[in-house]
Amino acid sequence: DVKVTQSSRYLVKRTGEKVFLECVQDMDHENMFWYRQDPGLGLRLIYFSYDVKMKEKGDIPEGYSVSREKKERFSLILESASTNQTSMYLCASSGQVDGYEQYFGPGTRLTVT
Amino acid sequence: GNSVTQMEGPVTLSEEAFLTINCTYTATGYPSLFWYVQYPGEGLQLLLKATKADDKGSNKGFEATYRKETTSFHLEKGSVQVSDSAVYFCALRKSGGYQKVTFGTGTKLQVIP
Repeated sequence: DVKVTQSSRYLVKRTGEKVFLECVQDMDHENMFWYRQDPGLGLRLIYFSYDVKMKEKGDIPEGYSVSREKKERFSLILESASTNQTSMYLCASSGQVDGYEQYFGPGTRLTVT
Repeated sequence: GNSVTQMEGPVTLSEEAFLTINCTYTATGYPSLFWYVQYPGEGLQLLLKATKADDKGSNKGFEATYRKETTSFHLEKGSVQVSDSAVYFCALRKSGGYQKVTFGTGTKLQVIP
């Protein structure tokens, strides 16, 4: 079974803090993705990575950065958290071996106060 | 650009009722189409998919047919159960090895006994 794990299910941070969200997949997938999920807006792509150290902006990259130093790990960084970044964050991975089907982690609900 | 439009929710049905969730899309070429399901407190998981026109995807009693002439991919189930209560997302991925997926806003389904 493909496993995508995220470092925290729930996180509470203060405005201005630097926040790291970690995602790990165990299926040797080339692609990894970070989305945020908000009511009425569905899933919006923040960043994705198609290889180690490679990244591409998604639809809403402002206020976020990412890091992929190893194939299995993809980190989302909020340099200076703001209240409008309170959301559910979902990580996903996909690879040629699975026909590029996206597999999702359980999500991290981040609250910025 | 690509877009997916699905019916607004929430949808409330009695157990054993017939379910239809409408989904239409805008994309060039021949995208692959998906339905994902998100159970409470979990990430998304793939429910079914179709990769070319007139394909029918099916899983767990759910079905959807890829209709290129109407650019639609409506989700149906003949008899819903309480355990089907979840949020359903329609999504597309462009053809040609393009790995990003565009999601609809999601439709919440509540099935009451």
